[in-house]
Amino acid sequence: DVKVTQSSRYLVKRTGEKVFLECVQDMDHENMFWYRQDPGLGLRLIYFSYDVKMKEKGDIPEGYSVSREKKERFSLILESASTNQTSMYLCASSLTREKLFFGSGTQLSVL
Amino acid sequence: QKEVEQNSGPLSVPEGAIASLNCTYSDRVSQSFFWYRQYSGKSPELIMSIYSNGDKEDGRFTAQLNKASQYVSLLIRDSQPSDSATYLCAVSTNAGKSTFGDGTTLTVKP
Repeated sequence: DVKVTQSSRYLVKRTGEKVFLECVQDMDHENMFWYRQDPGLGLRLIYFSYDVKMKEKGDIPEGYSVSREKKERFSLILESASTNQTSMYLCASSLTREKLFFGSGTQLSVL
Repeated sequence: QKEVEQNSGPLSVPEGAIASLNCTYSDRVSQSFFWYRQYSGKSPELIMSIYSNGDKEDGRFTAQLNKASQYVSLLIRDSQPSDSATYLCAVSTNAGKSTFGDGTTLTVKP
């Protein structure tokens, strides 16, 4: 079974803090993704990566950056957290870029 | 217009009935279509994928695709209370980015 592990289930941060969300997968997948999920807005793609050190912007990259130094790890960075970044963040990995395997999610609250 | 639209729901069916979930998409170059199930408080999990026109069956689940009408559906036969969840339709182009609908919440009543 594919395992995608997100480092925190719940996180509370202050406005202006730098926030790191970590994601690790154990299936040697090339592709990794960060989504956020909000009621009424569904799942929206923030960034994705199809190889180490490669990254592509998704639909809502503003206010976020990513890092992929190793194949198994994909980090999402909020440079200066704002209240409108309060959301459920979901990491996913994929062999084919299509069939996504999701982590359990991180519920981030920015106060 | 959203790229992927689903029935707003919620949808409620009695146990044993057929649940029908619908999805339309706007990008004609879409190649791959997926249904994910998301239980409350959990992350989405892939339950069906379909790539060509017609029906694809897997147990109690049938996915239907009509590219001319830009329409994909999921039928759940003999619905069970354990099928109660939000169902997400996802559409992917050759670029490999999946775009998700907002989801339809299904409740199966015993």
